[in-house]
Amino acid sequence: EDQVTQSPEALRLQEGESSSLNCSYTVSGLRGLFWYRQDPGKGPEFLFTLYSAGEEKEKERLKATLTKKESFLHITAPKPEDSATYLCAVQALWGDYKLSFGAGTTVTVRA
Amino acid sequence: KAGVTQTPRYLIKTRGQQVTLSCSPISGHRSVSWYQQTPGQGLQFLFEYFSETQRNKGNFPGRFSGRQFSNSRSEMNVSTLELGDSALYLCASSLWQTNTEAFFGQGTRLTVV
Repeated sequence: EDQVTQSPEALRLQEGESSSLNCSYTVSGLRGLFWYRQDPGKGPEFLFTLYSAGEEKEKERLKATLTKKESFLHITAPKPEDSATYLCAVQALWGDYKLSFGAGTTVTVRA
Repeated sequence: KAGVTQTPRYLIKTRGQQVTLSCSPISGHRSVSWYQQTPGQGLQFLFEYFSETQRNKGNFPGRFSGRQFSNSRSEMNVSTLELGDSALYLCASSLWQTNTEAFFGQGTRLTVV
């Protein structure tokens, strides 16, 4: 069974205070690791897909990295509009194509 | 281009009733997956449809079912509703089954009373 653990559960940051979110995963062969952002009452918004260890992707103040056992989402100089729940999901290489999600990290950025 | 559209956005149903939710994927996308999101369990996979066929199913009772039409639009149905079925139901659309970029709709908030 694929497992995804995200930490911390919640993160409170001051505007401009950079930080990182962690996503640890266990999967029998990784097809892809996904990061989503979810605002309250809305569906998850796709951010990144990472496929292999060492891969990095960036989008504005967000940078995602991948190792063989975990992924990090780095938030550089966050702004209040970066406040959201960030979800990590994995898709296994074999079997069905479902996404297995972590519980998420809720980020609050204060001005 | 238009995103994933789910209707209705909100529903209130009574225990024992049944409900049908609709999802229109992004134009050209052929795979539609459904997820249930609750505060306690997070996002859980319900099932996935590709080319009008259910390809995969999660660990949910048979009361949860779905279908996909030739235009890739999908519906999911929940019969004999229980209080525990109250959740945000999300539909994700992707070009192929591999879900390398899956885009979610806004969801349908179902409340069972």
